Amino acid sequence: EVQLVESGGGLVQPGGSLILSCAASGFTFSGSAMHWVRQASGKGLEWVGRIRSKTDNYATAYISSVKGRFTISRDDSKNTSYLQMHSLQADDTAVYYCTRPDVGDWGRGTLVTVSA
Amino acid sequence: DIVMTQSPDSLAVSLGERATINCKSSQSVLDSSKNKNYLAWFQQKPGQPPKLLIYWASTRESGVPDRFSGGGSGTDFTLTISSLQAEDVAVYYCHQYYRTPCSFGQGTKLEIK
Repeated sequence: EVQLVESGGGLVQPGGSLILSCAASGFTFSGSAMHWVRQASGKGLEWVGRIRSKTDNYATAYISSVKGRFTISRDDSKNTSYLQMHSLQADDTAVYYCTRPDVGDWGRGTLVTVSA
Repeated sequence: DIVMTQSPDSLAVSLGERATINCKSSQSVLDSSKNKNYLAWFQQKPGQPPKLLIYWASTRESGVPDRFSGGGSGTDFTLTISSLQAEDVAVYYCHQYYRTPCSFGQGTKLEIK
């Protein structure tokens, strides 16, 4: 059974940093691209970024609003993907999902709240 | 960037009736060399992560009832629920994975009339 479990969310002040983790199991993690998608309360889904596999040189891509502030990485030895977030702003407040959207695998999400 | 626009924003349909949701992309999401449209449909119920319904624009995910169907190509796509059931009340999103940044439509809220 595929499982994606996010952790690391919480309350952070504007301008602060946070690192989210996504622990994966039930599939060949090292061969899979991993995506992060966020959803503000009552709002729609917003794709944040993705990291490809080693075969594709761990290539990353992001939406423009997080470029330079967010970094996606992975540790294939731990079957874990990470989302490092810096210079957080109020509009980064959302539930962050780890996902393989093309095959329908989603975690339950972790809530990030940016507030003073 | 590819912008996905869904219509309508909300939809109320009677039980047993057909529901149709439209999705338009600002650029084609068709890879002509593979003849595949990089377009998926998701269903999301409150408090739950999205659930994949359709991928490659028209391929139903395993376990998804056959009342759900997807169609279209290039820039114009549809999700059709042939006979609405009470459990289909949800928000539906289209999603393009043809080019990064990937993107979702704004969502269509489906309710019972």
